[in-house]
Amino acid sequence: NAGVTQTPKFRILKIGQSMTLQCTQDMNHNYMYWYRQDPGMGLKLIYYSVGAGITDKGEVPNGYNVSRSTTEDFPLRLELAAPSQTSVYFCASSYSWDREDGYTFGSGTRLTVV
Amino acid sequence: AQSVTQLDSHVSVSEGTPVLLRCNYSSSYSPSLFWYVQHPNKGLQLLLKYTSAATLVKGINGFEAEFKKSETSFHLTKPSAHMSDAAEYFCVGGAGNKLTFGGGTRVLVKP
Repeated sequence: NAGVTQTPKFRILKIGQSMTLQCTQDMNHNYMYWYRQDPGMGLKLIYYSVGAGITDKGEVPNGYNVSRSTTEDFPLRLELAAPSQTSVYFCASSYSWDREDGYTFGSGTRLTVV
Repeated sequence: AQSVTQLDSHVSVSEGTPVLLRCNYSSSYSPSLFWYVQHPNKGLQLLLKYTSAATLVKGINGFEAEFKKSETSFHLTKPSAHMSDAAEYFCVGGAGNKLTFGGGTRVLVKP
């Protein structure tokens, strides 16, 4: 049981480049989330999904896009990378938001935009 | 709207001494509250969750937290710190499919 798998673990992008951060979960969770973590700021929600075909914006969605074509996959797309998007990105999933087992987080993608 | 405030950005303790991490929340209704731990270069791991069944919640690795509605607090404690407890800890509030994270408390454990 792999849980939540994120790829890549590290990436350096040049300003204006695009990339997709991959996230896959094998727990048949309905809910999936993308967060970014900046130093001393906790985690901010970028986008979330409550099921295949359904996505919604979080607190900081600008500059990002998502899709949810399957229950397992929830990729995050950066179209025109900017230095402000330098951060650590975490994907998470849950059966529901309120269960006692909480959320399962991936190990993160560290992105640097130069 | 919900907010979560961790009162200390850094806490330093000696091994074997108690640990206290403070968290206050604000919410217009009864929240779900969690504590997560993040070890260096790792993802977040759930320590415990307040379920409203009991105000004192026991978690993994000897941690526990007490929900005090009158003080809007959900402080995390451990009687005796271990070197492996060195990590960053997040107090998290949950409402409506979304989590709100506190700013985190980094714990340093001295031998």
